[in-house]
Amino acid sequence: AQSVTQLGSHVSVSEGALVLLRCNYSSSVPPYLFWYVQYPNQGLQLLLKYTTGATLVKGINGFEAEFKKSETSFHLTKPSAHMSDAAEYFCAVRAMNRDDKIIFGKGTRLHILP
Amino acid sequence: SAVISQKPSRDICQRGTSLTIQCQVDSQVTMMFWYRQQPGQSLTLIATANQGSEATYESGFVIDKFPISRPNLTFSTLTVSNMSPEDSSIYLCSVEDRIGQKGANVLTFGAGSRLTVL
Repeated sequence: AQSVTQLGSHVSVSEGALVLLRCNYSSSVPPYLFWYVQYPNQGLQLLLKYTTGATLVKGINGFEAEFKKSETSFHLTKPSAHMSDAAEYFCAVRAMNRDDKIIFGKGTRLHILP
Repeated sequence: SAVISQKPSRDICQRGTSLTIQCQVDSQVTMMFWYRQQPGQSLTLIATANQGSEATYESGFVIDKFPISRPNLTFSTLTVSNMSPEDSSIYLCSVEDRIGQKGANVLTFGAGSRLTVL
């Protein structure tokens, strides 16, 4: 079975500062890992995903995440926050090579301070 | 990726009534998914809607409360029946991009339907 824990339901950073959103997962089999973003009044859209290969994954809008198996983590980062990054971010996990359902974290709302 | 249109985008409903949410996809898809997003909670899968067969419901969700239709490969509806304030939530339609190996497929979501039950 898979589960996802996102540390911090709300994170505030200043514009231009580093963004770090934490995600830890639990999976009995090798996982696929995803980050989705939800802007106000919109559905979720994929930021990036880890399947196999390189553990540092680059996504849209300057975001990236690193899969660390030893730490069971998949933290999302961006070097410099922009006001337009204010949104809710969801980490998700799914079992590799299976059609099991995707499991979402509770989400982290990112606030950007001017 | 698929483009999903969902309506209504929001509604305010009276206790005891039912509301049907529509989901239209711009391409044919095998499976469509209905999620509930409650404030401060994870997205929770309600059911998987398969064309030509009954929907498959997750634990804690039943057909009498959340009947689903899937008349063709581009359309589905979810009805929230006999609503109570606890049903106030965002309901999201989703489809899976089947490019790639199992499990690596990406979900595409509609904009969601925000229901408030008074």
